[in-house]
Amino acid sequence: SQTIHQWPATLVQPVGSPLSLECTVEGTSNPNLYWYRQAAGRGLQLLFYSVGIGQISSEVPQNLSASRPQDRQFILSSKKLLLSDSGFYLCASGQPNTEAFFGQGTRLTVV
Amino acid sequence: QKEVEQDPGPLSVPEGAIVSLNCTYSNSAFQYFMWYRQYSRKGPELLMYTYSSGNKEDGRFTAQVDKSSKYISLFIRDSQPSDSATYLCAMSAAGGGNKLTFGTGTQLKVEL
Repeated sequence: SQTIHQWPATLVQPVGSPLSLECTVEGTSNPNLYWYRQAAGRGLQLLFYSVGIGQISSEVPQNLSASRPQDRQFILSSKKLLLSDSGFYLCASGQPNTEAFFGQGTRLTVV
Repeated sequence: QKEVEQDPGPLSVPEGAIVSLNCTYSNSAFQYFMWYRQYSRKGPELLMYTYSSGNKEDGRFTAQVDKSSKYISLFIRDSQPSDSATYLCAMSAAGGGNKLTFGTGTQLKVEL
């Protein structure tokens, strides 16, 4: 089965600072990759998904961007963090029309 | 109206009870259904995956899908304190990137 690695587990960043969260996947090839954000009591919101290298689709307008430089690497970035970017960020991986597997998440606090 | 509705709970049951967790959905294009368990401050862990109406059993867990009613359920038999977590239903339509739409999760507590 797939293993999704995310780091760091927790992160505290000041407003206006840049952000880079990395996700790497083992145990599969050419997966669909996803970034979700989870806010307390609100479930998971899909931010970005990618069906291949360099192919990124954004689900919601926001202060974040994503990139997929390699088949099993997915990066979430921001040039200048806002307070509203605080949350629990989850990377997921899955083959088309099958289940998705999640990493352990990064808890981001913007101060 | 949300595409996926899930009672947030919290749901508290005694150890050994049968737990029933439910989600309803409005998008008839959803064909793939999943249940995830999430412990506090951890990523969701896949419990069950199914793509057809009917029941699917795995150990103490049974997933039930009724596409005609747009209703899915997860049953947990002989519940244990270690089952205390938030349970998320998720579903996706065929094609188009396999994007999952989640319920908000039901918080379950199994008490000794």
